[in-house]
Amino acid sequence: LAKTTQPISMDSYEGQEVNITCSHNNIATNDYITWYQQFPSQGPRFIIQGYKTKVTNEVASLFIPADRKSSTLSLPRVSLSDTAVYYCLVGYNFNKFYFGSGTKLNVKP
Amino acid sequence: DAGVIQSPRHEVTEMGQEVTLRCKPISGHNSLFWYRQTMMRGLELLIYFNNNVPIDDSGMPEDRFSAKMPNASFSTLKIQPSEPRDSAVYFCASSAPEIHNEQFFGPGTRLTVL
Repeated sequence: LAKTTQPISMDSYEGQEVNITCSHNNIATNDYITWYQQFPSQGPRFIIQGYKTKVTNEVASLFIPADRKSSTLSLPRVSLSDTAVYYCLVGYNFNKFYFGSGTKLNVKP
Repeated sequence: DAGVIQSPRHEVTEMGQEVTLRCKPISGHNSLFWYRQTMMRGLELLIYFNNNVPIDDSGMPEDRFSAKMPNASFSTLKIQPSEPRDSAVYFCASSAPEIHNEQFFGPGTRLTVL
């Protein structure tokens, strides 16, 4: 499994765009990049997944450069309810997830 | 769909007692995962099943832990005997065939062993 590195925590204010970058230098050719979100006292929730370039859904965007050694989760115009831990995972057919510590995003009013 | 269902939501027990956690995956999902989350160790995969068969149990901490999946709609995680260090939130998750990277998590069971 490719190991990932992401910031431990980030602060933001309501209405701002938040970008969380994840490094995955050992990503394999078949690996996908997947992001999960976890609110306190809840299980993680799938946000977005991509392989290369850019992916966008109703919640977020995922930017992946050509070398795929990193990826950036972009949350547009965050609100207080986006305060959560965000996990970056890399792998193929994720039979063994390694969640790591994630990035704790704190959105302030 | 009701999502992944776990019971109980909270469990408080004394050291040495047997604890059984239960999980009902989403209908149609053929993979089931048990995780444990603590502040110190984060979210750890304990075991996962594919088509009711245990595929990888390397994350199970020791012989005190056992998991079963007698059918496609039910799984249990048992701890016998329980110890205070087993206190954690235990999550069950399921995924659809061939889409393991999108797992759907249950609400978790908060276990406290006194």
